[in-house]
Amino acid sequence: QVQVVQSGSELKKPGASVKISCKASGYTFERWVMNWVRLAPGQGLEWMGWINTNTGEPTYAPGFTGRFVFSMDTSVSTAYLQISSLKAEDTAVYYCARDSESGNDYFDYWGQGTLVTVSS
Amino acid sequence: QSVLTQPPSVSGAPGQRVTMSCTGSSSNIGAGFDVHWYQLLPGTAPKVLISGNINRPSGVPDRFSGSRSGTSASLAITGLQAEDEADYYCQCFDSSLSGYVFGTGTKVTVL
Repeated sequence: QVQVVQSGSELKKPGASVKISCKASGYTFERWVMNWVRLAPGQGLEWMGWINTNTGEPTYAPGFTGRFVFSMDTSVSTAYLQISSLKAEDTAVYYCARDSESGNDYFDYWGQGTLVTVSS
Repeated sequence: QSVLTQPPSVSGAPGQRVTMSCTGSSSNIGAGFDVHWYQLLPGTAPKVLISGNINRPSGVPDRFSGSRSGTSASLAITGLQAEDEADYYCQCFDSSLSGYVFGTGTKVTVL
């Protein structure tokens, strides 16, 4: 069965970097785009962008350029989100979510979320 | 900021019917892109309730239904249950952003 499992919670100081992993199993990793979604405290879901798991090309939503980097390692069916120069406002739960098999532009399988807390 | 607007909250007694809207524009819902709905319970990952405007994935109760018209879409919950208390988000593709967008989210409270 399809599973998407993310790495555990992180506590970082301002200015540090963090790299979150998102490991997929139960399907061919390269077939469907992997998206990243943020849920900040008191805020709504925000689509951060996606990585084309066939080509490795990332696409970033407005507001998520510069400090945010999507990458992947197909040998371990894993996508990564790296955030550099962390700020307090980066404190959030970050989800990875697979594009649906149907191609209908929604997210059918989600990771459990990774809480990133940025605090001095 | 989100380009899909939802009411911040709706509430109803158990057994009642509640609806929530998702208002977009000519670059997303009005352009014909499908609308999808997710339920977000505290501490869990979002769950797809409705895909492709009206389709319920396997396992989603038929108490949940979706519709769309023009530049808006709606999610209805009939026979409201305590377990339906959650945040709900609509989602669509936006051609002007060339990417996905989520709604502002609606909190459902069961009285």
